[in-house]
Amino acid sequence: GENVEQHPSTLSVQEGDSAVIKCTYSDSASNYFPWYKQELGKRPQLIIDIRSNVGEKKDQRIAVTLNKTAKHFSLHITETQPEDSAVYFCAPKHGGTRGSYIPTFGRGTSLIVHP
Amino acid sequence: DGGITQSPKYLFRKEGQNVTLSCEQNLNHDAMYWYRQDPGQGLRLIYYSQIVNDFQKGDIAEGYSVSREKKESFPLTVTSAQKNPTAFYLCASSSRQGEYNEQFFGPGTRLTVL
Repeated sequence: GENVEQHPSTLSVQEGDSAVIKCTYSDSASNYFPWYKQELGKRPQLIIDIRSNVGEKKDQRIAVTLNKTAKHFSLHITETQPEDSAVYFCAPKHGGTRGSYIPTFGRGTSLIVHP
Repeated sequence: DGGITQSPKYLFRKEGQNVTLSCEQNLNHDAMYWYRQDPGQGLRLIYYSQIVNDFQKGDIAEGYSVSREKKESFPLTVTSAQKNPTAFYLCASSSRQGEYNEQFFGPGTRLTVL
Protein backbone atom coordinates (compact mmCIF):
# COMPACT_ATOMS: atom_id res chain seq x y z
CA GLY A 1 0.00 0.00 0.00
CA GLU A 2 0.86 3.67 -0.12
CA ASN A 3 3.35 4.97 2.44
CA VAL A 4 2.70 8.62 3.26
CA GLU A 5 4.78 10.87 5.49
CA GLN A 6 4.17 14.48 6.46
CA HIS A 7 6.72 16.92 7.83
CA PRO A 8 6.85 18.67 10.15
CA SER A 9 4.38 17.23 12.66
CA THR A 10 4.09 20.62 14.37
CA LEU A 11 4.77 24.06 12.91
CA SER A 12 4.65 27.27 14.92
CA VAL A 13 4.84 30.63 13.11
CA GLN A 14 4.17 34.29 13.76
CA GLU A 15 1.22 35.94 12.09
CA GLY A 16 2.25 37.17 8.65
CA ASP A 17 4.98 34.57 8.17
CA SER A 18 4.82 31.82 5.56
CA ALA A 19 4.30 28.13 6.33
CA VAL A 20 5.30 25.10 4.29
CA ILE A 21 4.21 21.50 4.90
CA LYS A 22 5.67 18.64 2.90
CA CYS A 23 4.11 15.29 2.04
CA THR A 24 6.07 12.38 0.60
CA TYR A 25 4.43 9.29 -0.88
CA SER A 26 5.57 5.97 -2.26
CA ASP A 27 3.05 4.94 -4.94
CA SER A 28 4.27 6.26 -8.29
CA ALA A 29 0.77 5.67 -9.69
CA SER A 30 -0.73 8.35 -7.44
CA ASN A 31 -2.18 11.13 -9.54
CA TYR A 32 -4.41 13.13 -7.20
CA PHE A 33 -2.93 15.18 -4.36
CA PRO A 34 -5.32 16.95 -2.00
CA TRP A 35 -4.77 18.84 1.23
CA TYR A 36 -7.40 18.85 3.97
CA LYS A 37 -7.71 21.30 6.86
CA GLN A 38 -9.22 20.27 10.19
CA GLU A 39 -9.95 22.98 12.73
CA LEU A 40 -10.18 21.98 16.37
CA GLY A 41 -13.26 19.84 17.00
CA LYS A 42 -14.44 20.06 13.40
CA ARG A 43 -14.44 17.88 10.33
CA PRO A 44 -11.61 17.82 7.76
CA GLN A 45 -12.35 19.86 4.64
CA LEU A 46 -10.58 20.04 1.31
CA ILE A 47 -8.70 23.31 0.87
CA ILE A 48 -6.72 22.70 -2.29
CA ASP A 49 -5.80 19.84 -4.59
CA ILE A 50 -3.59 19.22 -7.58
CA ARG A 51 -3.50 16.64 -10.34
CA SER A 52 -0.42 14.94 -11.67
CA ASN A 53 -0.38 16.85 -14.93
CA VAL A 54 0.12 20.17 -13.11
CA GLY A 55 3.18 21.34 -11.20
CA GLU A 56 1.65 24.14 -9.14
CA LYS A 57 -1.75 25.50 -8.21
CA LYS A 58 -2.62 28.67 -6.28
CA ASP A 59 -5.73 29.87 -4.54
CA GLN A 60 -5.25 33.25 -2.88
CA ARG A 61 -2.88 32.69 0.07
CA ILE A 62 -2.50 28.95 -0.37
CA ALA A 63 -0.64 26.98 -3.01
CA VAL A 64 0.35 23.40 -3.67
CA THR A 65 3.44 22.31 -5.58
CA LEU A 66 4.08 18.83 -6.90
CA ASN A 67 7.31 17.03 -7.70
CA LYS A 68 6.29 13.70 -9.22
CA THR A 69 9.87 12.61 -9.87
CA ALA A 70 10.78 12.94 -6.21
CA LYS A 71 7.28 11.84 -5.11
CA HIS A 72 6.44 14.71 -2.85
CA PHE A 73 4.05 17.64 -2.79
CA SER A 74 3.89 20.64 -0.51
CA LEU A 75 1.33 23.03 0.91
CA HIS A 76 2.37 26.68 1.05
CA ILE A 77 0.50 29.27 3.10
CA THR A 78 1.59 32.89 2.82
CA GLU A 79 0.73 35.79 5.14
CA THR A 80 -0.52 33.40 7.79
CA GLN A 81 -3.40 34.44 10.02
CA PRO A 82 -4.60 33.05 13.36
CA GLU A 83 -7.54 31.38 11.61
CA ASP A 84 -5.05 29.27 9.66
CA SER A 85 -4.31 27.45 12.92
CA ALA A 86 -5.46 23.87 12.36
CA VAL A 87 -4.26 20.37 11.53
CA TYR A 88 -3.46 19.82 7.86
CA PHE A 89 -3.55 16.41 6.19
CA CYS A 90 -2.28 15.27 2.83
CA ALA A 91 -4.05 12.31 1.19
CA PRO A 92 -2.47 11.18 -2.10
CA LYS A 93 -4.56 8.85 -4.18
CA HIS A 94 -4.53 6.86 -7.35
CA GLY A 95 -7.60 8.18 -9.10
CA GLY A 96 -9.25 5.87 -11.61
CA THR A 97 -12.03 6.22 -14.06
CA ARG A 98 -13.54 2.95 -12.94
CA GLY A 99 -14.04 3.81 -9.34
CA SER A 100 -12.91 5.49 -6.20
CA TYR A 101 -9.47 4.40 -5.13
CA ILE A 102 -8.76 4.76 -1.47
CA PRO A 103 -6.64 7.70 -0.28
CA THR A 104 -3.97 7.27 2.36
CA PHE A 105 -3.87 10.09 4.88
CA GLY A 106 -0.71 11.47 6.37
CA ARG A 107 -0.47 11.79 10.16
CA GLY A 108 -1.18 15.48 10.01
CA THR A 109 0.69 18.71 10.71
CA SER A 110 -0.47 20.96 13.51
CA LEU A 111 0.00 24.57 12.42
CA ILE A 112 -0.07 27.21 15.15
CA VAL A 113 -0.14 30.86 14.11
CA HIS A 114 0.71 33.26 16.93
CA PRO A 115 -0.88 36.73 16.77
CA ASP B 1 -23.23 21.81 7.09
CA GLY B 2 -25.65 19.52 5.25
CA GLY B 3 -24.66 16.68 2.98
CA ILE B 4 -23.27 14.12 5.40
CA THR B 5 -24.40 13.74 8.98
CA GLN B 6 -23.34 11.61 11.90
CA SER B 7 -25.10 10.83 15.15
CA PRO B 8 -24.74 10.99 18.01
CA LYS B 9 -22.11 13.68 18.50
CA TYR B 10 -20.99 12.17 21.81
CA LEU B 11 -21.41 8.55 22.86
CA PHE B 12 -20.54 6.81 26.10
CA ARG B 13 -20.24 3.07 26.32
CA LYS B 14 -19.66 0.65 29.11
CA GLU B 15 -17.08 -2.04 28.61
CA GLY B 16 -18.59 -5.14 27.00
CA GLN B 17 -21.31 -3.28 25.13
CA ASN B 18 -21.75 -2.95 21.40
CA VAL B 19 -22.65 0.48 20.05
CA THR B 20 -23.67 1.66 16.61
CA LEU B 21 -22.65 4.96 15.06
CA SER B 22 -24.89 6.42 12.39
CA CYS B 23 -23.75 7.99 9.10
CA GLU B 24 -26.14 9.37 6.48
CA GLN B 25 -25.44 11.29 3.27
CA ASN B 26 -27.68 12.99 0.73
CA LEU B 27 -24.93 13.71 -1.80
CA ASN B 28 -25.82 10.72 -3.98
CA HIS B 29 -22.31 9.36 -3.44
CA ASP B 30 -21.58 5.71 -4.11
CA ALA B 31 -18.51 5.43 -1.89
CA MET B 32 -18.55 5.76 1.89
CA TYR B 33 -15.79 5.37 4.50
CA TRP B 34 -15.22 5.12 8.23
CA TYR B 35 -12.09 6.53 9.85
CA ARG B 36 -10.80 6.51 13.37
CA GLN B 37 -8.83 9.51 14.60
CA ASP B 38 -6.54 9.39 17.62
CA PRO B 39 -4.21 12.22 18.68
CA GLY B 40 -1.05 12.19 16.57
CA GLN B 41 -2.27 9.24 14.48
CA GLY B 42 -3.99 10.98 11.61
CA LEU B 43 -6.96 9.25 9.99
CA ARG B 44 -6.95 5.47 9.93
CA LEU B 45 -9.34 3.62 7.65
CA ILE B 46 -11.68 1.13 9.33
CA TYR B 47 -14.04 0.07 6.54
CA TYR B 48 -15.14 1.37 3.18
CA SER B 49 -17.92 0.66 0.72
CA GLN B 50 -17.93 1.54 -2.94
CA ILE B 51 -21.42 0.31 -3.72
CA VAL B 52 -24.57 -0.82 -1.94
CA ASN B 53 -24.37 -4.30 -0.39
CA ASP B 54 -20.59 -4.39 -0.66
CA PHE B 55 -17.88 -3.28 1.77
CA GLN B 56 -14.21 -3.93 2.39
CA LYS B 57 -11.95 -3.95 5.44
CA GLY B 58 -9.55 -1.11 5.89
CA ASP B 59 -6.35 -1.02 7.89
CA ILE B 60 -7.88 -1.42 11.36
CA ALA B 61 -11.14 -3.39 10.91
CA GLU B 62 -10.74 -5.73 13.88
CA GLY B 63 -13.49 -5.19 16.45
CA TYR B 64 -15.72 -3.26 14.04
CA SER B 65 -18.53 -4.19 11.68
CA VAL B 66 -20.53 -2.30 9.05
CA SER B 67 -23.48 -2.71 6.72
CA ARG B 68 -24.49 -0.96 3.51
CA GLU B 69 -28.11 -1.77 2.82
CA LYS B 70 -28.92 1.68 1.41
CA LYS B 71 -26.87 4.07 -0.66
CA GLU B 72 -27.45 6.86 1.84
CA SER B 73 -26.48 4.99 4.99
CA PHE B 74 -23.30 3.32 6.29
CA PRO B 75 -23.59 2.53 10.03
CA LEU B 76 -20.58 1.39 12.04
CA THR B 77 -20.86 -0.98 15.00
CA VAL B 78 -18.11 -0.93 17.58
CA THR B 79 -18.17 -4.35 19.19
CA SER B 80 -16.93 -5.49 22.57
CA ALA B 81 -14.02 -7.13 20.75
CA GLN B 82 -12.50 -3.69 20.05
CA LYS B 83 -9.97 -3.36 22.87
CA ASN B 84 -9.46 0.38 22.83
CA PRO B 85 -12.51 2.01 21.25
CA THR B 86 -12.24 5.46 22.80
CA ALA B 87 -11.60 7.76 19.82
CA PHE B 88 -13.09 10.27 17.40
CA TYR B 89 -14.89 8.54 14.51
CA LEU B 90 -15.31 10.22 11.14
CA CYS B 91 -17.54 9.09 8.30
CA ALA B 92 -16.85 10.27 4.76
CA SER B 93 -18.26 9.88 1.28
CA SER B 94 -17.07 10.49 -2.25
CA SER B 95 -18.37 10.25 -5.77
CA ARG B 96 -17.19 7.46 -8.02
CA GLN B 97 -17.71 9.62 -11.08
CA GLY B 98 -14.54 11.00 -12.65
CA GLU B 99 -10.96 10.42 -11.63
CA TYR B 100 -10.36 12.93 -8.90
CA ASN B 101 -12.71 12.55 -6.00
CA GLU B 102 -12.40 14.60 -2.86
CA GLN B 103 -13.80 13.18 0.34
CA PHE B 104 -16.62 14.89 2.20
CA PHE B 105 -16.60 14.31 5.93
CA GLY B 106 -19.30 14.21 8.55
CA PRO B 107 -18.96 16.15 11.81
CA GLY B 108 -17.77 13.08 13.71
CA THR B 109 -18.78 11.06 16.77
CA ARG B 110 -16.65 11.08 19.90
CA LEU B 111 -16.88 7.69 21.61
CA THR B 112 -15.78 7.25 25.20
CA VAL B 113 -15.65 3.93 26.99
CA LEU B 114 -16.34 4.21 30.69
